[in-house]
Parts: sequence; C-alpha cells; structure tokens
Amino acid sequence: DVKVTQSSRYLVKRTGEKVFLECVQDMDHENMFWYRQDPGLGLRLIYFSYDVKMKEKGDIPEGYSVSREKKERFSLILESASTNQTSMYLCASSLTNYGYTFGSGTRLTVV
Amino acid sequence: ILNVEQSPQSLHVQEGDSTNFTCSFPSSNFYALHWYRWETAKSPEALFVMTLNGDEKKKGRISATLNTKEGYSYLYIKGSQPEDSATYLCAQPRTGGSTLGRLYFGRGTQLTVWP
Repeated sequence: DVKVTQSSRYLVKRTGEKVFLECVQDMDHENMFWYRQDPGLGLRLIYFSYDVKMKEKGDIPEGYSVSREKKERFSLILESASTNQTSMYLCASSLTNYGYTFGSGTRLTVV
Repeated sequence: ILNVEQSPQSLHVQEGDSTNFTCSFPSSNFYALHWYRWETAKSPEALFVMTLNGDEKKKGRISATLNTKEGYSYLYIKGSQPEDSATYLCAQPRTGGSTLGRLYFGRGTQLTVWP
C-alpha cells in the first residue's frame, strides 16, 4: 500500500526553536507538498517541490523553508518557531496530473 | 490562484438523511476536479477525480456530478451514517506551467451525522 509518512503526529516546541517536520513517500512521486490547515481557512500551501533540490513557494511561505535532497523526502523547516505557526501540517505527494496521497498530519503547538 | 469555493461550510444531519453540498470553480481552462474526504485523526482520502462534463461517479452511498460549463460539482450522500462525518474537500489543478501538479483546494464542507 502506498504511503506518505510524517515523522511526528504531535509536536510541542518553544518559541524561537528551529523545528523540522519530515515527510517521506515510497511511491516515487515527483511532486511533494506542505500544507497547513487552520479552522475556517482550509488547506493553505506553504511550499512544494516538483523535483529533487527544486522548490517553489506556495501561498504562505513566510517563516518557513524546505529541503528536498532526495526524491522520497521533503522536509519543512520553521527557522524560528512562533506561536502563530501553531497548526496542523499536512504533507502530500503526487504524480503530475494525478491526485494527492496525504500523510496523517503533524499537529504542532508552539508555546 | 484558482478560486475554488465550497458550500455550505458546515452541515449537521440526522442518520438516514440524504445530503449534498457544492463545489464551485472557474469554468475556463478546466482540467479536472478532485474530491477528498478527511476524517478526524486520519489522512485525507481521495474519493473521485472527475474530468468530463456530465461525469457522474459513485462509491457506495456517495456520488458526485460535474458541470464544467457552469463550473460546479455536487457531492451527494444517500442515507448518511455517523461514519460519514468528515470534512469533504474539493480541489482543482491549474493547467500548464511548473505548477501543473499543484491542487487548489476549497475550504471544505464539514459534515456531522448525528445518530
């Protein structure tokens, strides 16, 4: 069964910490995405990548960076976590022209 | 940016009721329309990918229709059950360019089915 795995289900971090959210897919998909989901706002795209070492900003990239050194792994980095980054983070992957396979999400709380 | 809208934002129905909700999207340069179901504490799960005007897809008690000329899709649930409680998302890809793989999501319809 195809899988997108996010490293943590729940995470609590302190303000100012550098936070790494990891996502791994085993489907050889070229595209990978990071979204955050907040009540009433739906899924908002942070960053995406369509190839190794390639990245594009989504709609809300401020305060985030990403890394894609290998095709199967896409990391989201919060350089200096802030309380307004408390959210549910979803990773997804896809083949171009096909739908997404999502991970189970990481609920991040920044205190 | 593609403007994908869903209504209503939330819906509460009794077990056994049938229900439906709407996804509206730009009708120009249509490529595909995706529906997902997102249950609490689980990953969003793909329901349907619809590409042709007049398309109708069905999965158990859930079905969807597509009107690309007027830019809307309906999702129907017949005889709702508590396990249908979830957020239903629709999404549309953008055609062409390096963002070809990206989906633009609506804000979702949160369905609660009471026993």
